[in-house]
Amino acid sequence: GAVVSQHPSWVICKSGTSVKIECRSLDFQATTMFWYRQFPKQSLMLMATSNEGSKATYEQGVEKDKFLINHASLTLSTLTVTSAHPEDSSFYICSARDALSNQPQHFGDGTRLSIL
Amino acid sequence: DQQVKQNSPSLSVQEGRISILNCDYTNSMFDYFLWYKKYPAEGPTFLISISSIKDKNEDGRFTVFLNKSAKHLSLHIVPSQPGDSAVYFCAARQKTSYDKVIFGPGTSLSVIP
Repeated sequence: GAVVSQHPSWVICKSGTSVKIECRSLDFQATTMFWYRQFPKQSLMLMATSNEGSKATYEQGVEKDKFLINHASLTLSTLTVTSAHPEDSSFYICSARDALSNQPQHFGDGTRLSIL
Repeated sequence: DQQVKQNSPSLSVQEGRISILNCDYTNSMFDYFLWYKKYPAEGPTFLISISSIKDKNEDGRFTVFLNKSAKHLSLHIVPSQPGDSAVYFCAARQKTSYDKVIFGPGTSLSVIP
């Protein structure tokens, strides 16, 4: 079945650094990918919709300059958390839809980001 | 404003019995509803879905019921098994060009052997 790979699965870094998270669709093309954030014991909050070849669409309250999204190909979207601070520590999850099917989104296994 | 609600944060059920997870929504523009299962430190896994033109969809032990007039859906798991213990998210899709999915807060299900 369809697989979405997310890398890295866990990252710890110092405050002020930038962190890049990759989301790849391994066996299908994804014109649209989604980035979510989950705080402990809370729901998945949609941050932005990533569209191949165009600018991402951000949800209300999500800082575009803080969370840079690039969707350069049909199989890869990246989320860069710039100048990360401890409050950015969270579980980030991406998902992707197969452009050629009507199947629901497939999710990656998430990235645990810890900012010291 | 939470568009998808799951008012029970947790649920415990005896193995072999029925698990019923409830979900309510507020946005009448939602046209497609999904249930996802999630284990800790993993991404959600799609479980079952239902279109707004139906009122029931069944897949093995899992059945989803939709009551559009009440803006309510439920997931029934029968018989419940210990491996079903996970967090279950109800989700709804808006009819937009990007098929954005909005998640509820989740219900943690514990199936007791």
